[in-house]
Formats: sequence, C-alpha cells, structure tokens
Amino acid sequence: DSGVTQTPKHLITATGQRVTLRCSPRSGDLSVYWYQQSLDQGLQFLIQYYNGEERAKGNILERFSAQQFPDLHSELNLSSLELGDSALYFCASSPSPADPPPLHFGNGTRLTVT
Amino acid sequence: DQQVKQNSPSLSVQEGRISILNCDYTNSMFDYFLWYKKYPAEGPTFLISISSIKDKNEDGRFTVFLNKSAKHLSLHIVPSQPGDSAVYFCAARSLQGAQKLVFGQGTRLTINP
Repeated sequence: DSGVTQTPKHLITATGQRVTLRCSPRSGDLSVYWYQQSLDQGLQFLIQYYNGEERAKGNILERFSAQQFPDLHSELNLSSLELGDSALYFCASSPSPADPPPLHFGNGTRLTVT
Repeated sequence: DQQVKQNSPSLSVQEGRISILNCDYTNSMFDYFLWYKKYPAEGPTFLISISSIKDKNEDGRFTVFLNKSAKHLSLHIVPSQPGDSAVYFCAARSLQGAQKLVFGQGTRLTINP
C-alpha cells in the first residue's frame, strides 16, 4: 500500500460529459502529480502541484484541469470527454519536488468513455 | 519526443535465470533514474533507483547499472522468480523544470516455471 488513495477506481461515462477524479496523497507529502496511461503506453505526465500551487504542466489538454486543495488532496477534472480520453489516470505524491525520487503512486482510476 | 525508451515490449525468462531489462535515454539533464514494477489493476511500485553520479546500485536480487556515456541503463534481476512477472517501467527525473518523472513505455516480463 503506497498510501496514495485514488477514487473512484472505475468510471464509465459518455462522450461530451465531465468527470472529476480525486487523489489523496501520502501523509506528509506536499507534492501531487497526475499521469495518464493510455492502452499499453507509458505514463504521460499531465500536471504537478506543490502545496496548492501549480508547479509544472505536461501534455495536458485544455479540456482538462486540476487543483490541489488546502488539505492537499487533488482533483483532476476532465470535460467534453472524447473516446480517446479513455485511459488509466494515476496520481502520485512526494514530499516536495526538490527531494530525490521516488514518487509513490496510487492504484489509478480507469476511465472508459463510450 | 520520447526521452526515455524501452525498446523491448516484452521479455520471457526461465525461473532462476537472470532477467535483464534495458532502457535508453536522450536527455543529459536527467539526474535520477528509477525502475518501477506494475501489476495489473495496481499502480506502479517503486523498485530501485540510481543517481547520475553512480554507475551501479544493488538491492537484494535487483541491480541497476547506469552507463552515462551511452545514455543507457539496465535492470538485472537474479535469480528471477515467478512473482517478478509484471510490467517494468524505466523513469528519469530531469534537473530542469519541476523535476517530474519521464517514463518509458514499459517492458512486460514473464518468468516461466
């Protein structure tokens, strides 16, 4: 158990809809990262937050947004969903971006867009 | 721009033998390299890491080798066990930006009894 909690585990929705994925980092970790894994691909970095502030953006679509709340949990919002957004979405956390890795990952949310 | 590449999508090894997983990278600004292991329906689990100032790091059955001149790292598992069957991801952290991890595409390792 990595200590990173993601909900829900599975999400099935239709094209055009909007969903919210939730992540609670490990106790004491201030930095949260979101990754997307499409079928049989590597993990693609989406966005990073540190102590409530956005620190880095990767290949995140404009239809996607995220935030980190004062209690350090994070939410990833995906809107105007398309079939190609079907993927595993992972959240990871670390104490701070300056600390040596590793990142600790949650078990992911599997999103299916029909 | 694939900065971290795992060119072997799959690898099959006999139980008890050595498993060698390979990874190549292009960015000379990477300062840490990591291997993660992933089982189905679970998140990636950290396995072992190596700093760019070292060329070898060992942890039990797992050893990671780094060849900076060739921009190549490898993970050796000796002896291989059935429970090692999983997808292995190579990852690297850059000194630039917010130090996120960049992942390879993964190699599916199957250990045959």
